[in-house]
Amino acid sequence: DIQMTQSPSSLSASVGDRVTITCRASQNIASYLNWYQQKPGEAPKFLIYGASNLQSGVPSRFSGSGSGTYFTLTITSLQPEDVASYYCQQSYTIPWTFGQGTKVEIK
Amino acid sequence: QVQLVQSGAEVKRPGSSVKVSCRASGGTFGNYAINWVRQAPGQGPEWMGRIIPIFGTSDYAQNFQGRVTITADESTSTGHMELSSLKVEDTAVYFCTRGASIVGAQDAFEIWGQGTMVIVSS
Repeated sequence: DIQMTQSPSSLSASVGDRVTITCRASQNIASYLNWYQQKPGEAPKFLIYGASNLQSGVPSRFSGSGSGTYFTLTITSLQPEDVASYYCQQSYTIPWTFGQGTKVEIK
Repeated sequence: QVQLVQSGAEVKRPGSSVKVSCRASGGTFGNYAINWVRQAPGQGPEWMGRIIPIFGTSDYAQNFQGRVTITADESTSTGHMELSSLKVEDTAVYFCTRGASIVGAQDAFEIWGQGTMVIVSS
């Protein structure tokens, strides 16, 4: 199975800060990398597919980059509504696997 | 816009089985895979398996092989996930999720059900 490793596991930043989350794959997954946002008590929300493509309706302050084994999710100006956990997921090969998550809080 | 509506919370004894349903409201499954993902308290999501309804084919994660059965009924646009030989560690929220309607991203999870809490306790 492909292991997905996220860092950091949690972070605290101020409103307006630039926030970056990294996700590493245990093997080359090309650009088959997706990102999700999950708020407490809710289902995950689909944010980014193909490593860098923003899902319709997602604010432009979110962006993704990377390929191969190293990926990043960036929030250019953190907003209070972005408080959530963020998960990467590889869709290169079954079994689909997720990172363990990054919890983002406001300082 | 299709929504996935799941069945209600369940409390089960160890060793028993649970069956969770997922109905596509406002549309059909279409040609998309229906995946099942679970999330234990405080943990990240874990993929369990999927079915592609138009083909009737299923794939399962090794961790659940032999214990999970995923089915779909196209006529009612309803999917089911049955997990047997339940253990306390199976306590989790179980989600159904549909593949994305985006070319090249069909294995991303675009639409999610609201989740079904399954508690396994003696």
